[in-house]
Amino acid sequence: DGGITQSPKYLFRKEGQNVTLSCEQNLNHDAMYWYRQDPGQGLRLIYYSQIVNDFQKGDIAEGYSVSREKKESFPLTVTSAQKNPTAFYLCASSIGSGGDYNEQFFGPGTRLTVL
Amino acid sequence: AQSVTQLDSQVPVFEEAPVELRCNYSSSVSVYLFWYVQYPNQGLQLLLKYLSGSTLVKGINGFEAEFNKSQTSFHLRKPSVHISDTAEYFCAQGSNYKLTFGKGTLLTVNP
Repeated sequence: DGGITQSPKYLFRKEGQNVTLSCEQNLNHDAMYWYRQDPGQGLRLIYYSQIVNDFQKGDIAEGYSVSREKKESFPLTVTSAQKNPTAFYLCASSIGSGGDYNEQFFGPGTRLTVL
Repeated sequence: AQSVTQLDSQVPVFEEAPVELRCNYSSSVSVYLFWYVQYPNQGLQLLLKYLSGSTLVKGINGFEAEFNKSQTSFHLRKPSVHISDTAEYFCAQGSNYKLTFGKGTLLTVNP
């Protein structure tokens, strides 16, 4: 089955630690995205990548980093510089170069809790 | 910058009643609009999309939406809801290779 996988589903981290969230897709999509979701805030774009080895900052990139070395993978690192990292993180992908009219497909999400 | 406004943060309804979830988008030369549904602790699933053409768009699970250019609205409707429709619904607009999401509407269907 084609789709997007995110792991782990739940993640706990101590303050001051970096943590990496995994996102893999086998849909052969060019574009991939990371969103952060907080209650009542909707989805806010952290980073996006339209093609391998290229990515752009979204609206709330501070304290996060990404890489796009393979088409299938777009890992997100939450660094210790992120002031309030506890949130639900969603990865998505879309066909082509992520044009405005392309539907985005979402993974099941990772819930990160900082202790 | 694009701005998507969902006018109601919560909508409670009784089972088998009709429902309308309201969404206003930013006016633009080309308008691409989406409605997604999210069940608790899950990712988002596409309900329907408007790219061009007919202003009445039909989606999955009996939902439909109407594109209204003069009112910059894209309201989601269902004539008769089920308990299983309880979820959060997000309206989104595509622009500059990105989607801008509204803050969501929590639909609660009561027996």
